[in-house]
Amino acid sequence: KAGVTQTPRYLIKTRGQQVTLSCSPISGHRSVSWYQQTPGQGLQFLFEYFSETQRNKGNFPGRFSGRQFSNSRSEMNVSTLELGDSALYLCASSLQRGELFFGEGSRLTVL
Amino acid sequence: GENVEQHPSTLSVQEGDSAVIKCTYSDSASNYFPWYKQELGKRPQLIIDIRSNVGEKKDQRIAVTLNKTAKHFSLHITETQPEDSAVYFCAASPQSSGGGADGLTFGKGTHLIIQP
Repeated sequence: KAGVTQTPRYLIKTRGQQVTLSCSPISGHRSVSWYQQTPGQGLQFLFEYFSETQRNKGNFPGRFSGRQFSNSRSEMNVSTLELGDSALYLCASSLQRGELFFGEGSRLTVL
Repeated sequence: GENVEQHPSTLSVQEGDSAVIKCTYSDSASNYFPWYKQELGKRPQLIIDIRSNVGEKKDQRIAVTLNKTAKHFSLHITETQPEDSAVYFCAASPQSSGGGADGLTFGKGTHLIIQP
């Protein structure tokens, strides 16, 4: 069974631009969640989608948004990028309660 | 919302010794406590989890203990080996039947270093 796939793996943007990251969950997983990982801050929860509906949202500004499609694939978008948005963005999918399967992440650098 | 504190941020132990990582949580409704291991450059992976109806769970060299009254839980690794070197994250969640991330809040991580 294929794991969680995230694209792109690496990207460089400049301040003010926007970015869209994609996540394909494990087949059959209906829950997709997104996390921002930065040194010293651990894994900060962005949002979770289940059956195309946002079920939970973390404490991030409205510049961070996401969506989930009918095939469970998910995208997250960050508009008006700031230097502080530089991070590894991890997507995770889940079938059962609590066990998250993470992708390898998309590393975003904002210059 | 839930707040998870994790200590220490860095832990260095001699190979063969034991390592203990501690976490506290704030939301008394939390009832699911997983631990994830992230090796350098790799994705986090679940290594063990515990639910609030049990006080301890073991899996070979790793164990997790939970004290609901004090709202803290700990990861214990015995007979540490070089491959145990990684960042470990604890998390807490008021799990419903919905599954998935379901409000999972992570600690900031502990960098475990196994000295040869």
